[in-house]
Amino acid sequence: EPEVTQTPSHQVTQMGQEVILRCVPISNHLYFYWYRQILGQKVEFLVSFYNNEISEKSEIFDDQFSVERPDGSNFTLKIRSTKLEDSAMYFCASSPQGDSARYFGPGTRLTVL
Amino acid sequence: GIQVEQSPPDLILQEGANSTLRCNFSDSVNNLQWFHQNPWGQLINLFYIPSGTKQNGRLSATTVATERYSLLYISSSQTTDSGVYFCAVELYGNDMRFGAGTRLTVKP
Repeated sequence: EPEVTQTPSHQVTQMGQEVILRCVPISNHLYFYWYRQILGQKVEFLVSFYNNEISEKSEIFDDQFSVERPDGSNFTLKIRSTKLEDSAMYFCASSPQGDSARYFGPGTRLTVL
Repeated sequence: GIQVEQSPPDLILQEGANSTLRCNFSDSVNNLQWFHQNPWGQLINLFYIPSGTKQNGRLSATTVATERYSLLYISSSQTTDSGVYFCAVELYGNDMRFGAGTRLTVKP
């Protein structure tokens, strides 16, 4: 069964550094998403992406964040200058249509020191 | 925005017992999913169920959209069922909102 993949599984970085989290969505899916989960808390929506542009973003997704689909398979989340509070599990998800089931990747655990 | 409430927050069972997890939501939705977050943090998609009833093995789910709730049933629970169960809902054109989850512990 096809699945969403994410790399790396764990990223440790220093405060102020840039990080890029990578995702490969399911190949025939058209909608892509990033979510995050701070340890012990709810999963929170960050951004949705369709047709090579952001379709919706939350208040968490400020100017420090950006997303890109650099080629036909990868979907990336960049955090320009990481803060301690960016430490979280980041999940990528994809869906074939906007109102259908979302399939989540295994997550990248980001630790900012 | 849509409010999602899950109950109970914590549940401890003996292996073999049955359980019912509840998800209440504050508005009409077009997407509702149940997920299991395993001890490694992975979110496993259990059901896509904006309405009606579905079954998959020992798990089943029912959503009554008109009354704004969904139920997840786990029968004959196993230790591997332990983890956090999340309900997530979406109103078309808006972001998907997750509940706070139910933490299930199944003891051998």
